[in-house]
Amino acid sequence: AQTVTQSQPEMSVQEAETVTLSCTYDTSESDYYLFWYKQPPSRQMILVIRQEAYKQQNATENRFSVNFQKAAKSFSLKISDSQLGDAAMYFCATAQGAQKLVFGQGTRLTINP
Amino acid sequence: GAVVSQHPSWVICKSGTSVKIECRSLDFQATTMFWYRQFPKQSLMLMATSNEGSKATYEQGVEKDKFLINHASLTLSTLTVTSAHPEDSSFYICSARAYITGVGEKLFFGSGTQLSVL
Repeated sequence: AQTVTQSQPEMSVQEAETVTLSCTYDTSESDYYLFWYKQPPSRQMILVIRQEAYKQQNATENRFSVNFQKAAKSFSLKISDSQLGDAAMYFCATAQGAQKLVFGQGTRLTINP
Repeated sequence: GAVVSQHPSWVICKSGTSVKIECRSLDFQATTMFWYRQFPKQSLMLMATSNEGSKATYEQGVEKDKFLINHASLTLSTLTVTSAHPEDSSFYICSARAYITGVGEKLFFGSGTQLSVL
């Protein structure tokens, strides 16, 4: 069974600053993917970033990057130069391939102007 | 990019009635779709995996007779909440699996359906 834990129910950051959201996971799979999804007030799920577990290099998408520590089963998301539009619920998730996702509890991110 | 259309966006129904939610992949074929439920201020919980042309696979604790899933074509999966009760009120989200050339498999989410049972 796969589990995902997000220990920060809420986080806040000043606009233009950097914030890191934490995520730990557990899986018995040898080949899996890790994701960060953003859910704004519209509740549309938006993929922020994806990491293949077999890749050692951390994924990066513009202002978003991850710190993937496979041995520690840790997958944190760093948002640089935070913008007001980044305010949302962020969910960490894992899956084997593009199969069914297992989500963490979510972290509500607030951006202070 | 790939688009998944989910309809309706919101629905209000009386207790005891049935409600059907549609999930369509608009520009790709999806042999597999997934249905999630999200209660207020909580995470998404997988309900079932919908496979085109075969029976859905339900997660533990999800009543298959209450949440009927039909995946009759490669672009449409439906979730019917039968004999709905107030405790079924929730946000339901579908996702569809697509194979993108040069990228591999990706998941695309619908915009969700808010069900309120009175």
